[in-house]
Amino acid sequence: ETGVTQSPTHLIKTRGQQVTLRCSSQSGHNTVSWYQQALGQGPQFIFQYYREEENGRGNFPPRFSGLQFPNYSSELNVNALELDDSALYLCASSLDRDNTIYFGEGSWLTVV
Amino acid sequence: AQSVTQLDSQVPVFEEAPVELRCNYSSSVSVYLFWYVQYPNQGLQLLLKYLSGSTLVESINGFEAEFNKSQTSFHLRKPSVHISDTAEYFCAVSEGQAGTALIFGKGTTLSVSS
Repeated sequence: ETGVTQSPTHLIKTRGQQVTLRCSSQSGHNTVSWYQQALGQGPQFIFQYYREEENGRGNFPPRFSGLQFPNYSSELNVNALELDDSALYLCASSLDRDNTIYFGEGSWLTVV
Repeated sequence: AQSVTQLDSQVPVFEEAPVELRCNYSSSVSVYLFWYVQYPNQGLQLLLKYLSGSTLVESINGFEAEFNKSQTSFHLRKPSVHISDTAEYFCAVSEGQAGTALIFGKGTTLSVSS
């Protein structure tokens, strides 16, 4: 049990639609990051938030955006969905950029 | 730029046999190294990590990994595997301040059979 909860666990969207994925971190974990894991691949870093501000971003287009809230929850928003966005999206949190990063179970997104 | 190479995509072994999952990284600065395990339809669980100090790190379930700076490697080993160790294993590296972005390898599928 990592204390990181993600919702929904599975969802199906149509190409061109928008999706919001949610994450609830452990209390006090003020660093949250999101990763995309395509089938058969390792997770790829999307972006990271520290104390509600984005402070790092991977090689993902601007239609991937996020928010972090004061209550240690966060969101990943993806606009104009493409078929290649189909993947497992993982939320991870840590305390004050601590050495241990805790992952949630992920949200499976299928774009048809 | 950092990168992580997991040299074996699949490793099939018999129960109670030893296993080594290989991981090499490239980085021009000091790094932090991690192994994560992912069971089917689950998220990632931290198995062990190297931050500093002793180059040999151990997990609570019998895995160990050794940081070799000269060979830029962080191989994962277990002297005797169990059926329950069947999973996907990911090596990851981060640079600079700990807690920053992780760069993952593509993963190694460990399949343990009886």
